[in-house]
Amino acid sequence: TQLLEQSPQFLSIQEGENLTVYCNSSSVFSSLQWYRQEPGEGPVLLVTVVTGGEVKKLKRLTFQFGDARKDSSLHITAAQPGDTGLYLCAGSRTDSWGKLQFGAGTQVVVTP
Amino acid sequence: DAGITQSPRHKVTETGTPVTLRCHQTENHRYMYWYRQDPGHGLRLIHYSYGVKDTDKGEVSDGYSVSRSKTEDFLLTLESATSSQTSVYFCAITPRPDFEAFFGQGTRLTVV
Repeated sequence: TQLLEQSPQFLSIQEGENLTVYCNSSSVFSSLQWYRQEPGEGPVLLVTVVTGGEVKKLKRLTFQFGDARKDSSLHITAAQPGDTGLYLCAGSRTDSWGKLQFGAGTQVVVTP
Repeated sequence: DAGITQSPRHKVTETGTPVTLRCHQTENHRYMYWYRQDPGHGLRLIHYSYGVKDTDKGEVSDGYSVSRSKTEDFLLTLESATSSQTSVYFCAITPRPDFEAFFGQGTRLTVV
């Protein structure tokens, strides 16, 4: 069982639709990060959320950090084909600082 | 681009042989990580380092060892490679686990 559980594992949507990806854990995190990975490349950071209840917006992407700092979500509004990729959440537990672990990822495919 | 280089980029080796992968950074970041990526599992942490000669195990450390004798180099060794270690290996660096992690281009290892 992974420390960070992501759902769904796979999402296929049409351009213009909205989508939400979830990242859940039973552990408390000092912060959570979201990365996007393209085929053949390493992951690239999208955002870091630090404060419980925090909401961050990055153009059409909205990130939330749960009040208890155990979960996070990523919402994409009006998805575009360029949003296609593997979305990964990552974090370091408060009781194991330094141990940066990732969820299994959500593969998002946006078709024109 | 962050100065992080993995070598080799591709390797095919036989079962039972030792293999060493190298991660080299020019950023002077404290934390370095080795992950493996397999379909359906996202990035799984093998080992990480929080300073010279300071390393710790991740979630899938069996069959792997690491060494960090200099700030800039983090070596991952498979003492006796097995087919289950066929994977794509990523190295990552960061000054702090809640800061952006930068990834190498990955090493595709095939054990036959």
